[in-house]
Amino acid sequence: GDSVTQTEGLVTLTEGLPVMLNCTYQSTYSPFLFWYVQHLNEAPKLLLKSFTDNKRPEHQGFHATLHKSSSSFHLQKSSAQLSDSALYYCACYYGNEKITFGAGTKLTIKP
Amino acid sequence: EAAVTQSPRNKVAVTGGKVTLSCNQTNNHNNMYWYRQDTGHGLRLIHYSYGAGSTEKGDIPDGYKASRPSQENFSLILELATPSQTSVYFCASGDGIQNTLYFGAGTRLSVL
Repeated sequence: GDSVTQTEGLVTLTEGLPVMLNCTYQSTYSPFLFWYVQHLNEAPKLLLKSFTDNKRPEHQGFHATLHKSSSSFHLQKSSAQLSDSALYYCACYYGNEKITFGAGTKLTIKP
Repeated sequence: EAAVTQSPRNKVAVTGGKVTLSCNQTNNHNNMYWYRQDTGHGLRLIHYSYGAGSTEKGDIPDGYKASRPSQENFSLILELATPSQTSVYFCASGDGIQNTLYFGAGTRLSVL
């Protein structure tokens, strides 16, 4: 069935190091993929989303590439900042109005 | 101004009691969603709606009902609340073809 997998529950990095959060999906369709970010005591909000063409979405230094061959949409950033500490969710929209989220990755950036 | 508003923000209920969580959106989106958020499980879909009068079961609908009386309003109803339903509940509206979600601030529910 349709599902989204985020393998890391907790990621701790030192400021300035690169970030990569994993997301893989299972689907019989060609879905749209999203990354949402949730800061402490706030609601989740959209960080970036996949395009129908081959453009690579970018926002606030984060980018992600949809690889249909490996069913992946990993989130990356070249240099982590303290303000990047948050909960990150990968989500999948299968075109039937249903949107499924992964379990989330809590990212902590230390000085 | 918030486009998705949830009420109440906090709720303490007794086991076996009825709880209604309300959501109002001013985005004029057709789609609305109810999720619950629990550590280790992420955001899990309870019910969703395509528009006024429609409700659909999500991934974990047991113990919950939903009501969409208008484009703007979408309620989540716990007829017989249980402690396992203690959680943070988020309502969201969806914006169309790619269905980006816009979330409310959440409702923290404790069932004692």
